[in-house]
Amino acid sequence: DVKVTQSSRYLVKRTGEKVFLECVQDMDHENMFWYRQDPGLGLRLIYFSYDVKMKEKGDIPEGYSVSREKKERFSLILESASTNQTSMYLCASSLGRRGNEQFFGPGTRLTVL
Amino acid sequence: GQQVMQIPQYQHVQEGEDFTTYCNSSTTLSNIQWYKQRPGGHPVFLIQLVKSGEVKKQKRLTFQFGEAKKNSSLHITATQTTDVGTYFCAGVPYGQNFVFGPGTRLSVLP
Repeated sequence: DVKVTQSSRYLVKRTGEKVFLECVQDMDHENMFWYRQDPGLGLRLIYFSYDVKMKEKGDIPEGYSVSREKKERFSLILESASTNQTSMYLCASSLGRRGNEQFFGPGTRLTVL
Repeated sequence: GQQVMQIPQYQHVQEGEDFTTYCNSSTTLSNIQWYKQRPGGHPVFLIQLVKSGEVKKQKRLTFQFGEAKKNSSLHITATQTTDVGTYFCAGVPYGQNFVFGPGTRLSVLP
């Protein structure tokens, strides 16, 4: 079974704090993705990575950065959390070329006070 | 930018009734995928459609990909309470990343 795990299910942070969200997959997938999910907006792509140390901006990268030092791990960083970053964050991974099915982690519900 | 729209946003049905959700893309897609997210859960892959006009079935679920590869539908026959959740389509424009639709939330009344 493909396993995508995320470091926390729930997280509460204060405005201005630096926040790290970790994602690990155990299936040797090349591709990893970070989305945020908000009601009525579906899933919006923040950043993705097709290889170690490689990253590309998605549709809404502002206020976020990422790190991929190892193939299995993809981290999302909020340099200075703001209240409009309160959301559900979902990590996903996929094998090989673009457009293959994605396997999602359980999500991290982040609240920024 | 690319947009993927889904209708309806919400659907309430009586158990046993049929359900359909529609997905429309502003651009031609290389493929389209459907995901289901149960309440409190994460999206889970259901199916991928690649060919123009393709129809695939999974038990009570029927998936279609339009001839122009810009729209798709998911039809559930005789809904059950286990079908409750949000159904997302995800379009893949040629050479680009997934674009998820906003989802259709299905409620099934017993």
